[in-house]
Amino acid sequence: QQQVKQSPQSLIVQKGGISIINCAYENTAFDYFPWYQQFPGKGPALLIAIRPDVSEKKEGRFTISFNKSAKQFSLHIMDSQPGDSATYFCAASRGSGSRLTFGEGTQLTVNP
Amino acid sequence: GAVVSQHPSRVICKSGTSVKIECRSLDFQATTMFWYRQFPKQSLMLMATSNEGSKATYEQGVEKDKFLINHASLTLSTLTVTSAHPEDSSFYICSAIREGRGTQYFGPGTRLLVL
Repeated sequence: QQQVKQSPQSLIVQKGGISIINCAYENTAFDYFPWYQQFPGKGPALLIAIRPDVSEKKEGRFTISFNKSAKQFSLHIMDSQPGDSATYFCAASRGSGSRLTFGEGTQLTVNP
Repeated sequence: GAVVSQHPSRVICKSGTSVKIECRSLDFQATTMFWYRQFPKQSLMLMATSNEGSKATYEQGVEKDKFLINHASLTLSTLTVTSAHPEDSSFYICSAIREGRGTQYFGPGTRLLVL
């Protein structure tokens, strides 16, 4: 079964700190790994995505680190802000236009 | 940026009635749309893949006769929950693949409450 396992389930960080969320996948055919941010009562919004030909991608305060041999990837949020408080989902797919397999989600709380 | 809308945003209905949810890609064409459902504090579960002009592909365990999907144009897909029951109460989210780009954009979701 295609699975993406995400941890931690919840995370509390102080303002200005670094938030780190980890995901691991099983299917080596996955070649597209996006991260989504979801606020309560809203649909997910694409944050950043990476393909396995690079080990890191950075966009503003958000960085994805990718370890192909370990089949793991992580999201780092630098200088975390209270406005970053949301649920974050990692996902994986075979190609960017294909069905996504989602992780279980991480509820991030950034305290002021 | 690419925008996907859903209508209605919230619906309350009586048990046994049918509810239609619309998903529209407002500024791009989408040959493929997906329908998800999400229970409180849980992840998104893919229900079906909707391709323009063809029958939807349903995930294992999803009743195709209960969740009718129609993708009649490159900008519109509809999900009809037939004979809704309280256990169908959930947050339904659609997404659309921007043709030629491959990026998946999500709608704002529809909250369904069946009494």
